[in-house]
Amino acid sequence: NAGVTQTPKFQVLKTGQSMTLQCAQDMNHNSMYWYRQDPGMGLRLIYYSASEGTTDKGEVPNGYNVSRLNKREFSLRLESAAPSQTSVYFCASSQRASGFSYNEQFFGPGTRLTVL
Amino acid sequence: GESVGLHLPTLSVQEGDNSIINCAYSNSASDYFIWYKQESGKGPQFIIDIRSNMDKRQGQRVTVLLNKTVKHLSLQIAATQPGDSAVYFCAGGTASKLTFGTGTRLQVTL
Repeated sequence: NAGVTQTPKFQVLKTGQSMTLQCAQDMNHNSMYWYRQDPGMGLRLIYYSASEGTTDKGEVPNGYNVSRLNKREFSLRLESAAPSQTSVYFCASSQRASGFSYNEQFFGPGTRLTVL
Repeated sequence: GESVGLHLPTLSVQEGDNSIINCAYSNSASDYFIWYKQESGKGPQFIIDIRSNMDKRQGQRVTVLLNKTVKHLSLQIAATQPGDSAVYFCAGGTASKLTFGTGTRLQVTL
């Protein structure tokens, strides 16, 4: 039981390049999330998927797209990376689909992304 | 906008002492609060949560206190251990939105 896994762990991109961050969970959770964590700021929600087949924008969705590939996997895509997207990205999952904030979220180890 | 913030960026305590980490929030509609622990290079880890219909909740060596009147919550860690060294942050919100604080780094000295 690995919990939430993310790949890659580190990535350096040049401005304008694209990449996809992968996330998978093996806890049979319904909801999955993508956050970014920047120095001096709390975690900010980029996108979430309350249940398989649905995705919704969070607080800071601009410049990102997501795909809920199946119940296990939720990917985050940067189509044209910008220096402002340099951050640590965390994927998380939680059991319930409704009232999703009201339940424990399990986080992956993070992807450290630098955009030059 | 909504904010959730911690009072101190760093807290240093001696091993065996109790630690108290504080957090303030601005949105009086917030009805759910969580404390997370984040060790260096790792993702956040859930510690304890509390609903707004409660004032206090206890876990193993941890207690969360909620004061809705002044929009303040605290995390108390009993008998702090070196393994408690980490960044602690609170989050508060409603069913569909959580706002996360920036974190307090807890340093445990021997």
